[in-house]
Amino acid sequence: KAGVTQTPRYLIKTRGQQVTLSCSPISGHRSVSWYQQTPGQGLQFLFEYFSETQRNKGNFPGRFSGRQFSNSRSEMNVSTLELGDSALYLCASSLGAGGNYGYTFGSGTRLTVV
Amino acid sequence: KNEVEQSPQNLTAQEGEFITINCSYSVGISALHWLQQHPGGGIVSLFMLSSGKKKHGRLIATINIQEKHSSLHITASHPRDSAVYICAVEGGGADGLTFGKGTHLIIQP
Repeated sequence: KAGVTQTPRYLIKTRGQQVTLSCSPISGHRSVSWYQQTPGQGLQFLFEYFSETQRNKGNFPGRFSGRQFSNSRSEMNVSTLELGDSALYLCASSLGAGGNYGYTFGSGTRLTVV
Repeated sequence: KNEVEQSPQNLTAQEGEFITINCSYSVGISALHWLQQHPGGGIVSLFMLSSGKKKHGRLIATINIQEKHSSLHITASHPRDSAVYICAVEGGGADGLTFGKGTHLIIQP
């Protein structure tokens, strides 16, 4: 079966712009979570969506937002981009909320802010 | 907030050696995950543990809930095992996964 699909794979944006990243989970998975990975901070949890509702949110500013659609696909949006937002953004899908069923990760979107 | 510590940060070994990577955390958890990340960024989930021990091929993961400690072992290591291994914990008062900094493993032929 198809894995977790993230689009686009690479993105270059200018400081001040906004960006939207997409994540299509494995068919049947209802939970999607998002993570940011940087060389300095490592992997950090952004937020988790389950059945179109944000279930958890990490310690990130309000510029980072997300949503989940009825088909479980999720998008995350970063507004007013800063140079420090340059990172690998990963999403993971799970059958249920909270990861009790384990996670399947996408290949990530590498965002560069110039 | 859960603090997740991994050791060692970097490990270089010869093919065939037995490898151990350690992970400790500060607050009780509901589950611990071992992840593998290859160059290019893709992450593969290796194990999810809440107690005891799990084995998959040459990989073994153990967890001691009382000690707040987990280990990942690789038997008969191979150059294709070269990757970053990341420990992540769930629960313990934090939302979502809390990650360790990772162990960069290189297996030389």
